[in-house]
Amino acid sequence: DAGITQSPRHKVTETGTPVTLRCHQTENHRYMYWYRQDPGHGLRLIHYSYGVKDTDKGEVSDGYSVSRSKTEDFLLTLESATSSQTSVYFCAIAGGVGNQPQHFGDGTRLSIL
Amino acid sequence: GQQVMQIPQYQHVQEGEDFTTYCNSSTTLSNIQWYKQRPGGHPVFLIQLVKSGEVKKQKRLTFQFGEAKKNSSLHITATQTTDVGTYFCAGTGAGSYQLTFGKGTKLSVIP
Repeated sequence: DAGITQSPRHKVTETGTPVTLRCHQTENHRYMYWYRQDPGHGLRLIHYSYGVKDTDKGEVSDGYSVSRSKTEDFLLTLESATSSQTSVYFCAIAGGVGNQPQHFGDGTRLSIL
Repeated sequence: GQQVMQIPQYQHVQEGEDFTTYCNSSTTLSNIQWYKQRPGGHPVFLIQLVKSGEVKKQKRLTFQFGEAKKNSSLHITATQTTDVGTYFCAGTGAGSYQLTFGKGTKLSVIP
């Protein structure tokens, strides 16, 4: 598997608290993505990055922000978590010049009570 | 925006039967990718199709990309219990870095 690590793997927190999820890669890939996976919705793109400090919104970006200060790390932040953000979050990476296969991390299961 | 629809949502088959899942896009795609996710796991890339009418095979799996590059299918011949999981198609529009995933087809195989 590609060298991609998500942390934490599980987190339970309360509504209104800030939460940061980390995605770390050792592949030096240019593209990094954050998805959420919910029953009946498949995988939905939250934000993605195409280089250091270069990010863009995905389909479901409201309530989320991201940062990429170095190639290997892509952070996803929920500024004030809500119960609707309870989900499984996957990070993915891709190399090349775009439209290349994505390799996924093991996911973070986030529960917001 | 781009939408990718996948059917069926669920499929239960007897071991040894064939299985097919279909994917349709609302817009023309530059390429389509297929992923498999085992229960409790993460999506794993299977294959990418780029050319109109392209057909690729991986052992018992056959992938097709439509002539208009708006639809695709995955066919599994003689399913095995190891085929259990959810199969996702994901398409990219021209000039985009984003994959739009279908909702997936969950395959159950009855031994």
